[in-house]
Amino acid sequence: AQKVTQAQTEISVVEKEDVTLDCVYETRDTTYYLFWYKQPPSGELVFLIRRNSFDEQNEISGRYSWNFQKSTSSFNFTITASQVVDSAVYFCALSEANTGNQFYFGTGTSLTVIP
Amino acid sequence: EAGVAQSPRYKIIEKRQSVAFWCNPISGHATLYWYQQILGQGPKLLIQFQNNGVVDDSQLPKDRFSAERLKGVDSTLKIQPAKLEDSAVYLCASSLVPFDSGNSPLHFGNGTRLTVT
Repeated sequence: AQKVTQAQTEISVVEKEDVTLDCVYETRDTTYYLFWYKQPPSGELVFLIRRNSFDEQNEISGRYSWNFQKSTSSFNFTITASQVVDSAVYFCALSEANTGNQFYFGTGTSLTVIP
Repeated sequence: EAGVAQSPRYKIIEKRQSVAFWCNPISGHATLYWYQQILGQGPKLLIQFQNNGVVDDSQLPKDRFSAERLKGVDSTLKIQPAKLEDSAVYLCASSLVPFDSGNSPLHFGNGTRLTVT
């Protein structure tokens, strides 16, 4: 079974629009960690954020914000006032404390920001 | 801080040939991972090392893939013989904290893009 689901395969928005990338996860562990990574065309996966299962406080970092809701097993990522440089593939990932730091990645959402 | 280094950046081989990839993790990172990323998919874990020991290689096709991390630092991943379906980007990643934490983010290299013809 897929542990991390990113239902949106591709999204296109016009520059300055807001966009939300969805992530739904599945785990039986009570201690786990959620991550978002950005993969620009250059190919390198860039770490964006980590959230642990005991901290449901939403986080904002500049134009980026994350909404973690344990009740719906979701960890959504919003980009406000999108820019062309935000164009990339974004991956959500789950790590469970009981499985030794193994990361499970979603299939990614390809975001295109049109100027 | 220097990032995860990988080489080569690109490799093109014919099926049934052999190929090797090299990875140097961030200094001090005990945990090292090799991931396979097929076009359009998320990274899939092949093998995870803690220092020079294997933590998880359950998804490594052991009939053709092998990996080692002899001195607990650099690692090599080998494919012998390669198949067409091995065409992918091979990503190396490292993390700092001990393996049973799950709390440390992975730091990825740029990857090696393998094309098997």
